[in-house]
Amino acid sequence: KQEVTQIPAALSVPEGENLVLNCSFTDSAIYNLQWFRQDPGKGLTSLLLIQSSQREQTSGRLNASLDKSSGRSTLYIAASQPGDSATYLCAVTGNQFYFGTGTSLTVIP
Amino acid sequence: SQTIHQWPATLVQPVGSPLSLECTVEGTSNPNLYWYRQAAGRGLQLLFYSVGIGQISSEVPQNLSASRPQDRQFILSSKKLLLSDSGFYLCALQGGHLAKNIQYFGAGTRLSVL
Repeated sequence: KQEVTQIPAALSVPEGENLVLNCSFTDSAIYNLQWFRQDPGKGLTSLLLIQSSQREQTSGRLNASLDKSSGRSTLYIAASQPGDSATYLCAVTGNQFYFGTGTSLTVIP
Repeated sequence: SQTIHQWPATLVQPVGSPLSLECTVEGTSNPNLYWYRQAAGRGLQLLFYSVGIGQISSEVPQNLSASRPQDRQFILSSKKLLLSDSGFYLCALQGGHLAKNIQYFGAGTRLSVL
């Protein structure tokens, strides 16, 4: 069964720093990988989707990479802002979705 | 565009009471539909998924059940709630002709069982 792990579980950085969130998965037979953001008490917002044939995707200050062979993905956030504070989840997808436990990010003004 | 409606947004129920959470989707046809739960301090857990009307697969055995009476309607139910059923319940859809393999989420229902 697919297992998805996210490291670190929590991260606190000062505003303006660049940061990297990590996601690893055990089964490389995936269709795609998706990064989500969850604000406290709210639903999920999809940030980036990387197809299995792609290496990376970019949206604004966010860049996600995928190394399927090693079972890893990273989410890079440039010039972090307090509004980036949230929990970030990665999910690998096939016929089902497998979520990681998330990284709780706090950006300190 | 695809839209997911969940209600209610928050719910407080006593232990042993029944539960019915409804999810309806718009802007797509024949989607895969999912119910997830996030318990406090834990990651998302897939509860049920459905690939079509009347087709339900359960991922975790528990006192919850799901039904899909219509293509765009997915219902999560319980006959008797437990304290451990407290959490944040999310409905999601996958697919449709415009966004295969992208999953969209509703705003969720926060359930407190007291």
